[in-house]
Amino acid sequence: DAGVIQSPRHEVTEMGQEVTLRCKPISGHDYLFWYRQTMMRGLELLIYFNNNVPIDDSGMPEDRFSAKMPNASFSTLKIQPSEPRDSAVYFCASTETELDEQFFGPGTRLTVL
Amino acid sequence: GENVEQHPSTLSVQEGDSAVIKCTYSDSASNYFPWYKQELGKRPQLIIDIRSNVGEKKDQRIAVTLNKTAKHFSLHITETQPEDSAVYFCAARTGANNLFFGTGTRLTVIP
Repeated sequence: DAGVIQSPRHEVTEMGQEVTLRCKPISGHDYLFWYRQTMMRGLELLIYFNNNVPIDDSGMPEDRFSAKMPNASFSTLKIQPSEPRDSAVYFCASTETELDEQFFGPGTRLTVL
Repeated sequence: GENVEQHPSTLSVQEGDSAVIKCTYSDSASNYFPWYKQELGKRPQLIIDIRSNVGEKKDQRIAVTLNKTAKHFSLHITETQPEDSAVYFCAARTGANNLFFGTGTRLTVIP
């Protein structure tokens, strides 16, 4: 398996633009997590899905952020409109019910100018 | 929700010495405690974990201890090597599958 796949790896955009981050979990994993990592706040859980259903989105900072998981092999995290304070590395991770370990993707480094 | 605190934020040791990183958690229902290592520009990767029914676990030069009464757990790295230099994160899980991470410890091993 190729592991968790994220795209793009780097994104530079201007304030006010829409940003869409993509994630493909490991095949067979039924949990998918979106994290944001910054120097100031560390690793924060934004939202997680189980069997494509959002379970806890209490970490989503505000209405500008939304996440979807239309099927077991794809999820998106969208920011609209983006702001400079959204600049961070966004990680996607997946696991399955019988496992403990969460497997992280390579991350997307987002810079909002 | 769960609150995980991690100390120290930075740690420098001489090669060959031991390194200890400590974490505390707030929710007594937490039952799983992993440690992740993140090298510069890379993704976090699990290096060791422990469940609440175990007090200590060891894997070669790495060990983790858990004190449920005091609600703290620690990572111990012995005979440190330059390749151990990275940021280490502790985490706690309370039954569901979401992890609450500590703020990280930047470990530097000086050759």
